[in-house]
Amino acid sequence: SAVISQKPSRDICQRGTSLTIQCQVDSQVTMMFWYRQQPGQSLTLIATANQGSEATYESGFVIDKFPISRPNLTFSTLTVSNMSPEDSSIYLCSVVTGPLQNTEAFFGQGTRLTVV
Amino acid sequence: DAKTTQPTSMDCAEGRAANLPCNHSTISGNEYVYWYRQIHSQGPQYIIHGLKNNETNEMASLIITEDRKSSTLILPHATLRDTAVYYCIVRVASWSGGGADGLTFGKGTHLIIQP
Repeated sequence: SAVISQKPSRDICQRGTSLTIQCQVDSQVTMMFWYRQQPGQSLTLIATANQGSEATYESGFVIDKFPISRPNLTFSTLTVSNMSPEDSSIYLCSVVTGPLQNTEAFFGQGTRLTVV
Repeated sequence: DAKTTQPTSMDCAEGRAANLPCNHSTISGNEYVYWYRQIHSQGPQYIIHGLKNNETNEMASLIITEDRKSSTLILPHATLRDTAVYYCIVRVASWSGGGADGLTFGKGTHLIIQP
């Protein structure tokens, strides 16, 4: 398993501003992902954070809105840009720590974002 | 879209076994069944996964039908702390390591353990 720390745990932001969420893992991981969970909904994958290259985004998510960095094997950031109230969600970091075969993903506790 | 179907909610008495069903009639031969749960205000927690044989760990048992079109997650002695949303996810066991990947979550089953 892995210990995943997300910062901040929650924030209230003004519309039009940006927030950067950090995900730090206590060990090197093979894969990192970012998910969004809108109020009362299930989780939706935003993107795969690739080390040293651009993230791979799912349909409906774009780099200009959700820029992602992953400078090394233990750290990634997700920025929510030019926020609107519709961006109010929980944002979660997820990692795969073991080999790419037959292993599970682990999740951080999430960042609860409220945009006013 | 998610490839699984689960009941929206279930109740179970504390101390009894909680049996959570999942239908995955379109599962492919190389796809595993994964179970995660999400306790309120926390990130999802991995429970168990399996291919075709029944699996058991310290948290739960997973029973997969012979035709693999459905499965049941069993929490043998449910406690109040097991109240959560349980997600059944079907996917290949390997991570591509090269791009778009991740878990596809459906709506899950909200399990409520009653005292």
